[in-house]
Amino acid sequence: DMKVTQMPRYLIKRMGENVLLECGQDMSHETMYWYRQDPGLGLQLIYISYDVDSNSEGDIPKGYRVSRKKREHFSLILDSAKTNQTSVYFCASSYEIYAEQFFGPGTRLTVL
Amino acid sequence: AQSVTQPDARVTVSEGASLQLRCKYSYFGTPYLFWYVQYPRQGLQLLLKYYPGDPVVQGVNGFEAEFSKSNSSFHLRKASVHWSDWAVYFCAVSFNTNTGKLTFGDGTVLTVKP
Repeated sequence: DMKVTQMPRYLIKRMGENVLLECGQDMSHETMYWYRQDPGLGLQLIYISYDVDSNSEGDIPKGYRVSRKKREHFSLILDSAKTNQTSVYFCASSYEIYAEQFFGPGTRLTVL
Repeated sequence: AQSVTQPDARVTVSEGASLQLRCKYSYFGTPYLFWYVQYPRQGLQLLLKYYPGDPVVQGVNGFEAEFSKSNSSFHLRKASVHWSDWAVYFCAVSFNTNTGKLTFGDGTVLTVKP
């Protein structure tokens, strides 16, 4: 069953705390993505990973970093979270960089 | 500048009626184009995709879309809408297939009246 998973699904943190969002996929896709989605807006790309330890900034990387040590796993880290990072975060993967992306169910992060 | 626009933030149609959701892009070349659907509290799911070729592409659940280079558009259509089509629809464009980056429109909320 091809799927992208995300953990946790819901998270509440206080401003200044560190945040770790996890994403996994079971399709052996090389390319993985992190997006954020804010109300009334489309998805904004935070980071792309082309394979293990091969990461590239997206359109809004400031305040985020990523880690990919295994092909099936891609983490998003917020060091000292800010209130404006309250959002829904989506992970996605694709088998080739120009192919369709498969999305996870999202993580709803609230930073108080 | 490269951009994607979905001109209609909200569209309401009656069940059984036809549907068109609009997508316009700004780009000098021919991009790869996608339509995704998002149901409440879920991730995005692919409806259909366009890679250069036949301008009319078929997708899942009776959806189709037509690419027009002259109009820089990729409109989504369905002949007969079902209540289960109530969702948010996103147009996405890959302007540079070497990077894997997708640019998303802001989405169109589709409401289906009984």
